[in-house]
Amino acid sequence: GAGVSQTPSNKVTEKGKYVELRCDPISGHTALYWYRQSLGQGPEFLIYFQGTGAADDSGLPNDRFFAVRPEGSVSTLKIQRTERGDSAVYLCASSSSGQLTGELFFGEGSRLTVL
Amino acid sequence: KQEVTQIPAALSVPEGENLVLNCSFTDSAIYNLQWFRQDPGKGLTSLLLIQSSQREQTSGRLNASLDKSSGRSTLYIAASQPGDSATYLCAVEAGSYQLTFGKGTKLSVIP
Repeated sequence: GAGVSQTPSNKVTEKGKYVELRCDPISGHTALYWYRQSLGQGPEFLIYFQGTGAADDSGLPNDRFFAVRPEGSVSTLKIQRTERGDSAVYLCASSSSGQLTGELFFGEGSRLTVL
Repeated sequence: KQEVTQIPAALSVPEGENLVLNCSFTDSAIYNLQWFRQDPGKGLTSLLLIQSSQREQTSGRLNASLDKSSGRSTLYIAASQPGDSATYLCAVEAGSYQLTFGKGTKLSVIP
């Protein structure tokens, strides 16, 4: 596709449920990032993939959060036993290299609401 | 831990004015600094990227400067237009592939 695509755009779930958020990066982009943006805040780093491997997952808040990128393209962010505090917009970005000398392209985000 | 602060949090100006948005960061050992634009309910669009060795970058009506030693950057918007209304975010990267963002400045340009 022409840009970074994220699905679903909106997800409402109940506390304790499992959620998957999908990111389809720009074709050929080897680097993929997940960020989380709470209301009124700037995005916060979650995890960075270079190819299929998670090069840096230091931003994942706890072990309920997990992300995969099995074929080096599409990535899925998985949240187990969701809590109300997980409510936020989850943003995915990709770039053509792992060096942040290049431009980051963001998707429009997946808005997660945990009731 | 790197902290990024943006002042003001919100700004309202009449159309045609020139304006400056400010960004400061606590750790001057950065790799680069980027300015992004975010429209309501949308993702981020990269506006300008300044490498640590550079002093400024320009794109159209936008000019971003970087003073790494003092931990400051400014985004100058010339001849503002209503279409410039958005939230502007500043982010720094310290060589760890992570961007640290400020909370943004919400700009409203009044016709």
